[in-house]
Parts: sequence; structure tokens; C-alpha cells
Amino acid sequence: KQEVTQIPAALSVPEGENLVLNCSFTDSAIYNLQWFRQDPGKGLTSLLLIQSSQREQTSGRLNASLDKSSGRSTLYIAASQPGDSATYLCALREDSSYKLIFGSGTRLLVRP
Amino acid sequence: ETGVTQTPRHLVMGMTNKKSLKCEQHLGHNAMYWYKQSAKKPLELMFVYNFKEQTENNSVPSRFSPECPNSSHLFLHLHTLQPEDSALYLCASSRGTAVAEAFFGQGTRLTVV
Repeated sequence: KQEVTQIPAALSVPEGENLVLNCSFTDSAIYNLQWFRQDPGKGLTSLLLIQSSQREQTSGRLNASLDKSSGRSTLYIAASQPGDSATYLCALREDSSYKLIFGSGTRLLVRP
Repeated sequence: ETGVTQTPRHLVMGMTNKKSLKCEQHLGHNAMYWYKQSAKKPLELMFVYNFKEQTENNSVPSRFSPECPNSSHLFLHLHTLQPEDSALYLCASSRGTAVAEAFFGQGTRLTVV
């Protein structure tokens, strides 16, 4: 059974720091992996989608990588800002099913 | 704004009430989903519809009843809920393929008293 793990559960950094969020999964047979941001009490905002054939995707200050063989994805945030404070979730599709399997998220606080 | 709209945003209901959650998207997507987010637990898939047909029911109790009248609208009918059903209910949509990006609504915060 596929399991998705995000470590650490919470992270606090000073403004301006570059940081990496981790997502690991137990079965490498995945279709794609998606990173989301969730603000308190709100819905999910899609940040980046990486297909299984891709190694990375970039959007602005965000860069997501995927290494299926090691069962790992990372989300890199450059020059972090207080507005980046939120919970970051990774989710993957492991087959032709539409089901997204989520990690528990990393709660990020960027201190001014 | 993701293009997926959920109403109401907040709902308080008694255990004997009947209520419905509504989700609407005009993104041209064919697949729509209900997810449940409880405190300190990962998001759990409840139902998937593709082209109005239910393709997945993740062992959800029958007190939750989904309805998908067309590809743009999805409902979740609620009746005789329990306090442990209190959670954030999230709707999502995507193009009708497994490789497509999923877009989520803002959620309905449900409290069962």
C-alpha cells in the first residue's frame, strides 16, 4: 500500500532563507506528483505538477524535483518571504485511477 | 481563485438534519472529486465522478450521498451525521485523465452538533 510522508511536520525559518521541503513515497510506480499550498481554513492551491517522466518543474521562486527510483520529491523555495507561510502538501497518483494520495503536510512559518 | 466554487463556506448542522454541499466548476473539466480533511489526518478521497459517472467510492458511509447531475456540478447530500463527521470538505476537479492537474475549491467547514 502506497504511503506518502512529509518531514518535517513543521518548519520555522527567517525571511530570505532558501529552504527545502521533503516528500517521500513507498511505491515508485506513480503517474505524477503535485505540490499544493494550503492557508489556514482554506482550500488547496496547486503549485506545481510533475509527471512521472519529468525530473523537475519550476514556477517563479519554486522548484520541485522528482526522483522516482528513490521515492522522493522535494520542493525548493528560494528567498522565502512571510507570505510563504502556509502548509505545503504533496500528493501523488499511483496508477490510472484519479485518486490523489496525500501526505500530512509541512507547516511552514517564515519569520519577518 | 481556482475556478472551483463551493457553497456554503461554513455549515453547522444537528445530527438529525439533512443538508447539501454544492460544488461548481466552469473550467471544462470532466472529473470531479470530494475529499475530507479532518484535523491531524491527511486528506481522504471520498468520491470520484468522471463524465457524471461515479468511478470511485472510497468506502464512505451511506449517510454521505453524492450527486453529479452534469460535469460542472457536484453535490454531497448529508443526513443523520455524527459529530466525528465534522471536518473540512473539499471539492476538486480535473480534466478527465489521470495525468491532469487537480484544482481545489475553498472547502466547506462542517460542524455537526
